[in-house]
Amino acid sequence: AQSVTQPDIHITVSEGASLELRCNYSYGATPYLFWYVQSPGQGLQLLLKYFSGDTLVQGIKGFEAEFKRSQSSFNLRKPSVHWSDAAEYFCAVGEGGGATNKLIFGTGTLLAVQP
Amino acid sequence: GAVVSQHPSRVICKSGTSVKIECRSLDFQATTMFWYRQFPKQSLMLMATSNEGSKATYEQGVEKDKFLINHASLTLSTLTVTSAHPEDSSFYICSAQTLMNEQFFGPGTRLTVL
Repeated sequence: AQSVTQPDIHITVSEGASLELRCNYSYGATPYLFWYVQSPGQGLQLLLKYFSGDTLVQGIKGFEAEFKRSQSSFNLRKPSVHWSDAAEYFCAVGEGGGATNKLIFGTGTLLAVQP
Repeated sequence: GAVVSQHPSRVICKSGTSVKIECRSLDFQATTMFWYRQFPKQSLMLMATSNEGSKATYEQGVEKDKFLINHASLTLSTLTVTSAHPEDSSFYICSAQTLMNEQFFGPGTRLTVL
């Protein structure tokens, strides 16, 4: 069965420092991968997605992620974190072999940013 | 991006009552909407897929008689929690899928059953 693992439940970084959030997936075919951010009181917002092509994907708010098939990973990165990036981040894989259909979410990583 | 709203944002009810949660796509039509449930410090778990004009498809372990879903129009899906009990207390989130097959999420509804 498809699954997504986010090993880090909680991460704290200093403002201006670099960030990497880990995501590993289990999926039989070529995965459709997503990163979402959830802020309190707001819905999940799509940061970026990977369907095919270039394995380094650029997203909004300065985030990027790299798909590594050999490692079954899709880690999210940002070179310099801002205080407004504090939120919960979810990695997800799309079932059904397409951009549509069901999303399987990881357990999330809560990011805290120190001044 | 597309906007999805949910109403109410939070609701408190007595055990045994029913609660209806609305999910609306405000600026696009959605033939497919999804309902998720999120427990504290846990991930989103898909409950059901709501298709306009047809019956919803429920995930394994989700009671369809307990969680009634109606998708009567291309912009509205409702989730009714029938005879709610304290264990139904949770954060319910919907998403609406665009014609480009991208999902946009509502802000969620916090349900507390006393």
